[in-house]
Amino acid sequence: KQEVTQIPAALSVPEGENLVLNCSFTDSAIYNLQWFRQDPGKGLTSLLLIQSSQREQTSGRLNASLDKSSGRSTLYIAASQPGDSATYLCAVAKGGTSYDKVIFGPGTSLSVIP
Amino acid sequence: NAGVTQTPKFQVLKTGQSMTLQCAQDMNHEYMSWYRQDPGMGLRLIHYSVGAGITDQGEVPNGYNVSRSTTEDFPLRLLSAAPSQTSVYFCASSYGQGMQKLFFGSGTQLSVL
Repeated sequence: KQEVTQIPAALSVPEGENLVLNCSFTDSAIYNLQWFRQDPGKGLTSLLLIQSSQREQTSGRLNASLDKSSGRSTLYIAASQPGDSATYLCAVAKGGTSYDKVIFGPGTSLSVIP
Repeated sequence: NAGVTQTPKFQVLKTGQSMTLQCAQDMNHEYMSWYRQDPGMGLRLIHYSVGAGITDQGEVPNGYNVSRSTTEDFPLRLLSAAPSQTSVYFCASSYGQGMQKLFFGSGTQLSVL
């Protein structure tokens, strides 16, 4: 059974620092992996989607990498800002045609201190 | 573009009551789904649909019904509310087969007393 974990559960950093959030999954046979951001009381917003054939995706100050063989993905945030404070979740999809194979991690709560 | 719209935002029910959570999307997405989010449990899939007239069960379907009569709408019905259904419910949609970029609604916070 696919399990997704995220470490750390919470992270507090000073503004301007570069940081890395981790996502681990137990079954390397994934279709793709998606990183989300969730603000308090809000829904999830998709940040980056990495297909299984890709190694990384970039969007602005965000860079997500994927290493299927080790069952890991990292989300790198450059020059963090207070507005980056949110919970970040990763989700892996096992099947290419079946959405019931999407498993979410528990999330990392990020606080960026001004 | 409204995206995914969920109503209501908050709801309090008594045990045994029924209600329908509404979800609508205006992006012509084929895929729609319902999740619940509980502390320490993450997001869990309740039901999903890959197109009008087609629905299927997710990880935690018991106590919930869905239907998909149109592409735009995907309501979630609680048949007889129980305290264990106290949760935050999210509707999500995506274009096409396979997990593509998921668009989420803002959620419904449900309390069952």
